[in-house]
Amino acid sequence: KNEVEQSPQNLTAQEGEFITINCSYSVGISALHWLQQHPGGGIVSLFMLSSGKKKHGRLIATINIQEKHSSLHITASHPRDSAVYICAGTQGGSEKLVFGKGMKLTVNP
Amino acid sequence: NAGVTQTPKFQVLKTGQSMTLQCAQDMNHNSMYWYRQDPGMGLRLIYYSASEGTTDKGEVPNGYNVSRLNKREFSLRLESAAPSQTSVYFCASSPLLATGYTFGSGTRLTVV
Repeated sequence: KNEVEQSPQNLTAQEGEFITINCSYSVGISALHWLQQHPGGGIVSLFMLSSGKKKHGRLIATINIQEKHSSLHITASHPRDSAVYICAGTQGGSEKLVFGKGMKLTVNP
Repeated sequence: NAGVTQTPKFQVLKTGQSMTLQCAQDMNHNSMYWYRQDPGMGLRLIYYSASEGTTDKGEVPNGYNVSRLNKREFSLRLESAAPSQTSVYFCASSPLLATGYTFGSGTRLTVV
């Protein structure tokens, strides 16, 4: 059983829409990472958070520790946001990441 | 800054051949990792090195060996490639425990 689950697996949106990507994780995950993988394959780290909320540009990441749930929000979505968004958890006491399977986002113009 | 550099970007091997994937980072990071990415599976950890001189197995280490040559370089070796090792391989590094991961651009390996 994967310790990090993402939903939905695919999402198609229209340019300008507000998008939410969800991630649930199990006990033992001490920090949550959001990564972005573009069609070319490169992976970029967007956020790491263990509590509260972080914002960078049009991206906002939140985490609810009690509910073991994190969300990535994209405001005013744009076709260049089309990518696979991956949630990953750091297992407490180690440096190893446990990855979700990713969510493919397509933003149409 | 180059960040994390992986070579080669593409490789085709015949079953039984060996090869080494190279990874180097120029950010003075302590920790380095090798992952593989397969369709529908997400990224899985093969090996990692918490600091220079140490290596540890990850989730899927069978069929692989690693060397942390120095603080900058962390190589992954396939001694006898198998079709099941067809995958995209990513190297990553982080400065300390689970902070600020930087990924390389990946190596697409096909074993025929």
